[in-house]
Order: sequence, then structure tokens, then C-alpha cells
Amino acid sequence: GAGVSQSPSNKVTEKGKDVELRCDPISGHTALYWYRQSLGQGLEFLIYFQGNSAPDKSGLPSDRFSAERTGGSVSTLTIQRTQQEDSAVYLCASTSGAVLDNEQFFGPGTRLTVL
Amino acid sequence: GEDVEQSLFLSVREGDSSVINCTYTDSSSTYLYWYKQEPGAGLQLLTYIFSNMDMKQDQRLTVLLNKKDKHLSLRIADTQTGDSAIYFCAERVRGSYIPTFGRGTSLIVHP
Repeated sequence: GAGVSQSPSNKVTEKGKDVELRCDPISGHTALYWYRQSLGQGLEFLIYFQGNSAPDKSGLPSDRFSAERTGGSVSTLTIQRTQQEDSAVYLCASTSGAVLDNEQFFGPGTRLTVL
Repeated sequence: GEDVEQSLFLSVREGDSSVINCTYTDSSSTYLYWYKQEPGAGLQLLTYIFSNMDMKQDQRLTVLLNKKDKHLSLRIADTQTGDSAIYFCAERVRGSYIPTFGRGTSLIVHP
């Protein structure tokens, strides 16, 4: 596709359930980021993948959060035992990975609501 | 505290200029960015400036950087209703691939 896509666009779940959010980056982009955007808050960095390197997980808020990236392309963010405070928009972005590449291309996000 | 700070709201009349301000704390910031987020969409890069520049102009957009005060501003000339969105300031420091974003400024343009 032409841009970053994310699915689902909306997800409503019950507290305690697990959810998986998917991101398809721009073809050929080696770097992929996950962010969380809560109401009134900025973008909170979650995790960063670059090629085959070990991901930077420094932003994951708890061990209930995990992410993987298969084949250097599609990424899945998993939240286990969801809590109400996990309700937010989860944004994915990709870049070419070059050090001077300044533009992150963002997907439209997945709005997660935990009841 | 936050590394990047912005005011949360700005309201302007259509046709006027808008100035959105941002302050950052890391003096080793290399790149400073402005992103725009329209309702229900992801962020879109509007413009960026290297830390060795003072100003950058791109059509209706003017970015000013005051390194001494660690202050960045985005001026939108002849603001239109289509400019209504949330504008995020972000910084990226030397050696890092991860930018730090502010909370965003909601720009409301009224007729």
C-alpha cells in the first residue's frame, strides 16, 4: 500500500481480555515505531524496531505490553489482561531507517477502549 | 518534567496569522519538527529544522528557532479553516532515532 496501515481502526474490549493491534509499514521501511496517544497527552513512545537489531523496548509501560515484528515488515502490539487505563489511540509509524531520514510516516491509529 | 512543552489551545480568526510555540529542554537536540494531526488521522510531518538554522520558510509556514532560549515556533500565515488540527512539536537528539513529542496544540480557526 501507499502508506502505513493499522487494524483494527477501533477495538472495544472488556477489562482483563488480551488484544492484538496490527501495523503494516510502508514497503521497504526498516524502522517501525509504536506510540500511545491518550486524551490530552502527547505521544508516548512504546517500542522501536530497526531492521534485525534488538528492539528498543524502553517505552513499554508494563510487562503486559509486548510487540513483535515478523519478517522485518508487519508488527503486532499485544496487550495482555487489559486495564481501563490502557484505553488510548495506538499509533504506528515507519521510516526508511537512514540516520538522516527525518520523516516518520504515521498510520491512522487504532482506538482502543477498555470497558 | 516534560522535555517538550506546548500550550494546549490556540484560537484564531480565519485569515489571521497563527503562532504556535514550543519549548524544549535538551540542548543536544539536532532536529526539531512540526507535525499536524487532523481528526481521526495519524500525524503528518509539516516541516523540520536543523538545530544549526534559525529560520525556515515553506509557503505559508515559517519556523523560528531560538537555541539560546530553546524555543521553537510555527507561524501559519493566512490561516484557513482547513488548518484546524492538533500541531505537535518534537525534538530528536543527536544519536537517537526516537523523537520526543509535546502534548500538541489544538488550533481552532473560526470564520
